[in-house]
Amino acid sequence: AQKVTQAQTEISVVEKEDVTLDCVYETRDTTYYLFWYKQPPSGELVFLIRRNSFDEQNEISGRYSWNFQKSTSSFNFTITASQVVDSAVYFCALSEGQTGANNLFFGTGTRLTVIP
Amino acid sequence: EAQVTQNPRYLITVTGKKLTVTCSQNMNHEYMSWYRQDPGLGLRQIYYSMNVEVTDKGDVPEGYKVSRKEKRNFPLILESPSPNQTSLYFCASRGGQGYHEQYFGPGTRLTVT
Repeated sequence: AQKVTQAQTEISVVEKEDVTLDCVYETRDTTYYLFWYKQPPSGELVFLIRRNSFDEQNEISGRYSWNFQKSTSSFNFTITASQVVDSAVYFCALSEGQTGANNLFFGTGTRLTVIP
Repeated sequence: EAQVTQNPRYLITVTGKKLTVTCSQNMNHEYMSWYRQDPGLGLRQIYYSMNVEVTDKGDVPEGYKVSRKEKRNFPLILESPSPNQTSLYFCASRGGQGYHEQYFGPGTRLTVT
């Protein structure tokens, strides 16, 4: 069963618009971790954030913010005032267990294009 | 600089010609793994290793082999590559128990013709 769902395959926004990338996850574990990675056109995977299942506090880092809601099993990512450099594929991922999982379950990614 | 390195970064080969993609990390991490990335499928785990001489299958292990003779190295071996193994491959590592963030290498783009 797919554990991480990113329903938005592609999104295009005009520069300076806000955009939210959706992530819905599925797990039976009470302890788990959620991640967001950015993959720019150059291809590498850039770690953005990690949240654990016991901390539902939203987080803001500059223009980036994350909304974690256990009630809806969602971990959404918002970019405020988007810039062309934000154009990338963004992956949400899930790691289960307390000790450090053997696998990261990735969503299929959302390709964000920011139009100048 | 703490990093995961992979070589080669790009490789074009023919069906059946054995190849090895190397992966090395300098962070003394116990755990290492290999993923492949395909359009519309995200990243899927091929193999992982909890420590030296300890390896196990991930979600898509068919057609691949790995070995972990040294803590820093975790090569991915394709004994007889086929076109369906054309993909972007990532090596990753993390610390041992209690560590969750995986650090990814730059990726290896493999084309099998």
